[in-house]
Amino acid sequence: AAGVIQSPRHLIKEKRETATLKCYPIPRHDTVYWYQQGPGQDPQFLISFYEKMQSDKGSIPDRFSAQQFSDYHSELNMSSLELGDSALYFCASSHTGTGAGQPQHFGDGTRLSIL
Amino acid sequence: DQQVKQNSPSLSVQEGRISILNCDYTNSMFDYFLWYKKYPAEGPTFLISISSIKDKNEDGRFTVFLNKSAKHLSLHIVPSQPGDSAVYFCAAKGGTSYGKLTFGQGTILTVHP
Repeated sequence: AAGVIQSPRHLIKEKRETATLKCYPIPRHDTVYWYQQGPGQDPQFLISFYEKMQSDKGSIPDRFSAQQFSDYHSELNMSSLELGDSALYFCASSHTGTGAGQPQHFGDGTRLSIL
Repeated sequence: DQQVKQNSPSLSVQEGRISILNCDYTNSMFDYFLWYKKYPAEGPTFLISISSIKDKNEDGRFTVFLNKSAKHLSLHIVPSQPGDSAVYFCAAKGGTSYGKLTFGQGTILTVHP
């Protein structure tokens, strides 16, 4: 079965640079979520989109922005990168339209390293 | 403020025996709970979930129990297999934030042959 695809898998940037992470949800899933997982920590919710509209916002820095496109893929744009942004970034998708009791399915993540 | 807590960082079990992973939560508005398994270099994989209107859900070797009054849930794996060795995350959603998952810190399960 098709899964959530994230690209790139690894990304190395320097401080103050920008980065764009991409997420392709499972076909027919209408909701995309972004999470950040620091070393030894649990995943923290950043932001989500339902039918291309922002549906919820968590602890996402103002330096980050995201959007969901007409084909339902999503991009997380990160600017003025800081050392503390080094983390695993997960994207998840779900078919929310059928009700709240639908699990989120995760991609394998993008490991972002800031030098 | 850790709203979902997994107080056991690790658990070691013999193959064939039962593994019991525990999770506590503080937000009474949570109405849907999930368990995920995570291998290194992979994303969390959905295992099983339970709605707050139920107290048990079973899927093969995996059973999740929910005790709403105690704000506690547990995942039972019977029988445990070496391939079950992974990090297990408890997650919850509901309340004011529709859809967003709040995760526990994870429990490292090691199943010995």
